[in-house]
Amino acid sequence: DTAVSQTPKYLVTQMGNDKSIKCEQNLGHDTMYWYKQDSKKFLKIMFSYNNKELIINETVPNRFSPKSPDKAHLNLHINSLELGDSAVYFCASSLFVEGSKDTQYFGPGTRLTVL
Amino acid sequence: AQKVTQAQTEISVVEKEDVTLDCVYETRDTTYYLFWYKQPPSGELVFLIRRNSFDEQNEISGRYSWNFQKSTSSFNFTITASQVVDSAVYFCALDTSGTYKYIFGTGTRLKVLA
Repeated sequence: DTAVSQTPKYLVTQMGNDKSIKCEQNLGHDTMYWYKQDSKKFLKIMFSYNNKELIINETVPNRFSPKSPDKAHLNLHINSLELGDSAVYFCASSLFVEGSKDTQYFGPGTRLTVL
Repeated sequence: AQKVTQAQTEISVVEKEDVTLDCVYETRDTTYYLFWYKQPPSGELVFLIRRNSFDEQNEISGRYSWNFQKSTSSFNFTITASQVVDSAVYFCALDTSGTYKYIFGTGTRLKVLA
C-alpha cells in the first residue's frame, strides 16, 4: 500500500554512465515532481509534471530527462553522470485543485553516488 | 522573490524539554501555503502540517503545535516535552498560487538527548 515508491533506493555508478530512477504513485494524483537534496540537505525542485505535461524545468542540465508515461509514473533518466550529480533524489506527487494547493507526498528517496 | 529562512541550523535539547523551530518566509502573493516536513535519520520526508495564508489559527496536534503569524511572516513549530524519536531534520516549505513547486528552507537539525 505504498503511496509514492521509487526504485532503486541506492544507486552507485561510475562517472560517464547513464542511469534511470523510477517513480510510481498510487494516490490518484495528477501532478508529480522530482527534487534533489544535496549533501547539505538542501532540497530544490528539478521538474514538475501535471497530467504528463512538463510544467517546470528548473534550469536543470539537459543530461537530466524526465519522462512521464502516464499520470502515475515519472521517471528520471540521467546521461553522462558527473560527480556533482551525487545526491538524494526525491519523487513527490500531489493533486491539482483549482484555487488551492494539495500537499505533496514524497517517495523514500534514491541515493545516487557517482564515483 | 520567494524565500524561506530557517535560521537555526542545529538545536540540541534534553528529553522532555520544549523546543521551537523558527520559519520565516517571503512572498508577495496573497495566497500561499506553508508546510512542515520531518526528515528522520532514515531519510524519508514525512508531511506534518499544511496551512493556507487565510487561516491564521494556531494548530495543536498532540505534542506538536504551530504558530502562524502573517504580521511577522513566520510559521513556527513547537514540540512540547521532546522525545528522542523527535530527532530529525525539520523543513519548512512555501508553495504559492500558480506554481508547481515548493520553496524549502535549509532545514533545522533537532537533536534530542536522552
